[in-house]
Amino acid sequence: DADVTQTPRNRITKTGKRIMLECSQTKGHDRMYWYRQDPGLGLRLIYYSFDVKDINKGEISDGYSVSRQAQAKFSLSLESAIPNQTALYFCATSDLPGQGMGADTQYFGPGTRLTVL
Amino acid sequence: EDQVTQSPEALRLQEGESSSLNCSYTVSGLRGLFWYRQDPGKGPEFLFTLYSAGEEKEKERLKATLTKKESFLHITAPKPEDSATYLCAVQANSGAGSYQLTFGKGTKLSVIP
Repeated sequence: DADVTQTPRNRITKTGKRIMLECSQTKGHDRMYWYRQDPGLGLRLIYYSFDVKDINKGEISDGYSVSRQAQAKFSLSLESAIPNQTALYFCATSDLPGQGMGADTQYFGPGTRLTVL
Repeated sequence: EDQVTQSPEALRLQEGESSSLNCSYTVSGLRGLFWYRQDPGKGPEFLFTLYSAGEEKEKERLKATLTKKESFLHITAPKPEDSATYLCAVQANSGAGSYQLTFGKGTKLSVIP
């Protein structure tokens, strides 16, 4: 079974609809992230959470909200979807760096392809 | 502002033809540089983390190296299954970038049989 799962994998919706994307992980990591990927723009951070009580905005949070329901679950909502939110959305997780270690490696889920008409 | 530039944008190789991908970066202080592989429609797959200049890591036909300004991903005798987009990302030591990865736009590698 995959360590990081995302549902749904594909979603087509209409402008103005509320959409929720879900992410679950079995890696036991405390940190979770939501990214979007657009052709020619690369991956950009939307929100991140270092634990259940900690939620932070990333580079492009406008139009999005998140909920960290448990250590293993992190959901992304589009309150009122618009066409320029059409993109690939990825959830990622990371663990706290070990003693003396540097960066915390992020592991990505399979992605959700969202189309807003 | 942290920046990552990858070159070339696309690379076509014959099977067995070795080459290198480049990742140039600007960061206030490097905590780590990451290489990922991404297949079409899938999530990035972690390959390597490099922490300091001079460090090298290898995995099968891939070898990643790091200097103070850039990283190279060397591909030795590539096979068609190595075809993918390779992403480079940096994480800063402090400030706004210390929690997040700044990604380059990737190099799309095609290996022709």
